[in-house]
Amino acid sequence: NAGVTQTPKFQVLKTGQSMTLQCAQDMNHNSMYWYRQDPGMGLRLIYYSASEGTTDKGEVPNGYNVSRLNKREFSLRLESAAPSQTSVYFCASSVGGAENTEAFFGQGTRLTVV
Amino acid sequence: QKEVEQDPGPLSVPEGAIVSLNCTYSNSAFQYFMWYRQYSRKGPELLMYTYSSGNKEDGRFTAQVDKSSKYISLFIRDSQPSDSATYLCAMSAATGRRALTFGSGTRLQVQP
Repeated sequence: NAGVTQTPKFQVLKTGQSMTLQCAQDMNHNSMYWYRQDPGMGLRLIYYSASEGTTDKGEVPNGYNVSRLNKREFSLRLESAAPSQTSVYFCASSVGGAENTEAFFGQGTRLTVV
Repeated sequence: QKEVEQDPGPLSVPEGAIVSLNCTYSNSAFQYFMWYRQYSRKGPELLMYTYSSGNKEDGRFTAQVDKSSKYISLFIRDSQPSDSATYLCAMSAATGRRALTFGSGTRLQVQP
């Protein structure tokens, strides 16, 4: 069972470079999310997509853009990477709706910006 | 002040001990409460899911929610070295934005 698949697993960027983190889920979930995890900060929501065709800002959206390409795929783009964006990025998905909020996570992308 | 507060630990216990992990929260709109377990360099995995107040038991794990005190707990009985991980509480509202809000996580070490 693939679940939520993220690529790449590791990435090193130079300040100012751009990149796109890819996420795909095979559980037919409606909602998808991007979180970042920093030491002592827990998981913080960057952007989410409640359903195909919609995206909304989360707690820490500055410096990021997202695209919900279709029901399966939700990508996160860093247009001009900064050292403050060094973090572990997790994509997650959930069924969606009022009674289905538990999210299932990918294995993460470790990003270092130098 | 964070919406969800969780003691980061680390918490070190001997094998077989009962472990108590806790979170407090400030948003009274939270209705759904979850506990995730995260092993080092892995993604969080869902452990327990509870709606509103009350208790839920699954094997060695018991989740409790006290909405009147805005306090949730996870108890682990007969703890094992394989339980060593970071435990994250998470919660969401029933309306509006339903994305999860997480605590910062408690690191647990169970000593053999």
